[in-house]
Amino acid sequence: GENVEQHPSTLSVQEGDSAVIKCTYSDSASNYFPWYKQELGKRPQLIIDIRSNVGEKKDQRIAVTLNKTAKHFSLHITETQPEDSAVYFCAASRETSGSRLTFGEGTQLTVNP
Amino acid sequence: EAGVAQSPRYKIIEKRQSVAFWCNPISGHATLYWYQQILGQGPKLLIQFQNNGVVDDSQLPKDRFSAERLKGVDSTLKIQPAKLEDSAVYLCASSVIRNTEAFFGQGTRLTVV
Repeated sequence: GENVEQHPSTLSVQEGDSAVIKCTYSDSASNYFPWYKQELGKRPQLIIDIRSNVGEKKDQRIAVTLNKTAKHFSLHITETQPEDSAVYFCAASRETSGSRLTFGEGTQLTVNP
Repeated sequence: EAGVAQSPRYKIIEKRQSVAFWCNPISGHATLYWYQQILGQGPKLLIQFQNNGVVDDSQLPKDRFSAERLKGVDSTLKIQPAKLEDSAVYLCASSVIRNTEAFFGQGTRLTVV
């Protein structure tokens, strides 16, 4: 089955700096890569996703890049704000029957004012 | 649109007791997931339904866990008997189809003492 590794496990940045979180996946057939944000005590919520037919996707201060050859994808947050502080999870799945959405272990991002 | 509803929000039981969780997905969502999230870890898929059929239950401890999704709508997850290591948040999620955004419920925090 799919295995998703995520790092770093914790990341502390100053407000206004950029943050980068990286994930690798094992199943070369995976083609859907979402990123979820989970604030303390709340549900995970999708912030951005990318499919394998594109290499990069941006949404305001958030961007995701995908390298299919190397089987890794990254989340980039620019101009970080204190409200960006949360746990971020990457995930991967493929478009076939029985495919599960497999999550990484999470990155605790802390943005210091 | 209404979100994914879960109940109860919290549950405390003694080991060897049984417990059941309920999930009502977003109307029209064919795919339903149950995840177990242990504190400090990423969500781990327990079971995935497509309508009322199981498409992945490979990580469900079937000697003690069971789940059903009657009529392809609501779902229940049961643990019998519970163990201390079952203490976790149980998250239900749904998506229109697989490989699209999964919307999570608030989760049920289970404590086994």
